Amino acid sequence: AQSVAQPEDQVNVAEGNPLTVKCTYSVSGNPYLFWYVQYPNRGLQFLLKYITGDNLVKGSYGFEAEFNKSQTSFHLKKPSALVSDSALYFCAVRDTRSGAGSYQLTFGKGTKLSVIP
Amino acid sequence: NAGVTQTPKFRVLKTGQSMTLLCAQDMNHEYMYWYRQDPGMGLRLIHYSVGEGTTAKGEVPDGYNVSRLKKQNFLLGLESAAPSQTSVYFCASSSARQGAGDTQYFGPGTRLTVL
Repeated sequence: AQSVAQPEDQVNVAEGNPLTVKCTYSVSGNPYLFWYVQYPNRGLQFLLKYITGDNLVKGSYGFEAEFNKSQTSFHLKKPSALVSDSALYFCAVRDTRSGAGSYQLTFGKGTKLSVIP
Repeated sequence: NAGVTQTPKFRVLKTGQSMTLLCAQDMNHEYMYWYRQDPGMGLRLIHYSVGEGTTAKGEVPDGYNVSRLKKQNFLLGLESAAPSQTSVYFCASSSARQGAGDTQYFGPGTRLTVL
């Protein structure tokens, strides 16, 4: 079984400060990991993903995430937060041992990021 | 490209009524998915399809049916709506090119209220 935990329901950060949104996962095999962002009354937008290779993944809007296999984590980071980054962020995982045709993503419960001017 | 579109955007039903939600994608993706989003619970997979004419159950399939008669469309049906089905429904699609590593792209959602 695959699972994702986002331990913080809400993260507050001042504009211009670095931000981190935490994600930990559990899979049987190796993980494929994704971050999505959801703005109010909108669908989810893809930010970045880790499939294989470099542990530091760069994505859209200046976001990046670091895959840490020993800590089973995939935290989302940005060096300098913008007010426009305020949104709901979802981490998702897929186990590479999922059966053929089973490409289901398991999502975390989401973390609300508020960037304070 | 419009990407993934969903109709309707909003709907209010009475308990026991039926309805169909339509999802369409113009990216020629093989896989399509229906999720529901409830506060504090993230997204949960209802049903998915890996190709035209094939569907499979996800995490929370009870009370829903789906059909994929055309590659670009994926329909979600509620035969007898219940208040517990009040939720925001999202459709997504992905390509088979990268296998399980491919990205899912989401529609804008349908907000359904069952009274």
